[in-house]
Amino acid sequence: KAGVTQTPRYLIKTRGQQVTLSCSPISGHRSVSWYQQTPGQGLQFLFEYFSETQRNKGNFPGRFSGRQFSNSRSEMNVSTLELGDSALYLCASSQRTGAHEQYFGPGTRLTVT
Amino acid sequence: AQTVTQSQPEMSVQEAETVTLSCTYDTSESDYYLFWYKQPPSRQMILVIRQEAYKQQNATENRFSVNFQKAAKSFSLKISDSQLGDAAMYFCAYRFFGNQFYFGTGTSLTVIP
Repeated sequence: KAGVTQTPRYLIKTRGQQVTLSCSPISGHRSVSWYQQTPGQGLQFLFEYFSETQRNKGNFPGRFSGRQFSNSRSEMNVSTLELGDSALYLCASSQRTGAHEQYFGPGTRLTVT
Repeated sequence: AQTVTQSQPEMSVQEAETVTLSCTYDTSESDYYLFWYKQPPSRQMILVIRQEAYKQQNATENRFSVNFQKAAKSFSLKISDSQLGDAAMYFCAYRFFGNQFYFGTGTSLTVIP
């Protein structure tokens, strides 16, 4: 069974631009969570989607948004990029919301210049 | 609010020796789950071990075991017979049913040949 895939793997954007990241969960998994990872901050939870509905949301500004499609694939969008948005963005999938375990993708490394 | 604290940013261990990584958490819940995740330099985060709070017995997975002290809200990871492949960033995480995962800031483990 294929793992969680994220595209693109690397991205360089300019401050003020917007970006869309994509995540395809493991087949059969219906829950997708997004995290921002930065050195010293660890993983910060962004949001979780299940059956196309946002179930949980972290403490991030409204510039960060997401959505989930009927095939469980998810996208995350960041508008008006700031230098501080440079990070590794990780996606994780679970069979269902509230599941005990989640499986991570390789991440998208976003650099904002 | 739930918080997870890893007080050791970096640890090192000699190959074949034993090392213990510390984690404390704060919660008012009685039933929850605790996890240790490993993130090797390749960046794919993988689950190492999981502990259900209602179980008094400490979880074990081969060379990995935990010391779960519920009253003290402590959840340490012991790695026995350390191997070069154990070198990675280790994250402690907490989850209460249906809610988001909370991660610590991580401990970078170096294995010395």
